[in-house]
Amino acid sequence: AQSVSQHNHHVILSEAASLELGCNYSYGGTVNLFWYVQYPGQHLQLLLKYFSGDPLVKGIKGFEAEFIKSKFSFNLRKPSVQWSDTAEYFCAVSGYSGAGSYQLTFGKGTKLSVIP
Amino acid sequence: GAGVSQTPSNKVTEKGKYVELRCDPISGHTALYWYRQSLGQGPEFLIYFQGTGAADDSGLPNDRFFAVRPEGSVSTLKIQRTERGDSAVYLCASSLELAGGGNTQYFGPGTRLTVL
Repeated sequence: AQSVSQHNHHVILSEAASLELGCNYSYGGTVNLFWYVQYPGQHLQLLLKYFSGDPLVKGIKGFEAEFIKSKFSFNLRKPSVQWSDTAEYFCAVSGYSGAGSYQLTFGKGTKLSVIP
Repeated sequence: GAGVSQTPSNKVTEKGKYVELRCDPISGHTALYWYRQSLGQGPEFLIYFQGTGAADDSGLPNDRFFAVRPEGSVSTLKIQRTERGDSAVYLCASSLELAGGGNTQYFGPGTRLTVL
């Protein structure tokens, strides 16, 4: 069974601070990895994804994530956060379920609050 | 083009009643997923449709939950004899079906179900 662990429940940063959100996963096969973001009052949106190739993935709005296979990790980073990055961030993993689907297994999410 | 839409956005019902939640996926997306998000948790998989058939319903919590997708587009999630524990946000996602799982799931805004 797949599982995802996000280390931080709530992170509070000042604008221009650097961000790193931890994500570890458990899965026995080939995985696809995602970070989704949910801004206040909006629906889940894809931030970035890793399927194969370069383990350093760049997404929208200056976010990036690094897949480290040996550590089963997919941490999200941004060098300088802005107030508009205030949102909830979800790490997710998908792998073939054996029943035909690639359903996503999500972590519990990390709320990021950026103080102007 | 239009994203995934879900109706209603909010549904309040009484314990024991029957409810239907609707999802309209992105046009051309053959894969459709339902998830449930409880307070403080990430979304959890319920059911997956490939075309008209429910290819994977392993996430449905019990037989009070049922979903259909009769024409391979719009899907309806049906909950019988609702219980207070069913209160959650029900999310729908759709994707193209590409081999190898390299699919991005696009989420709708969700239906917030409250069972009194």
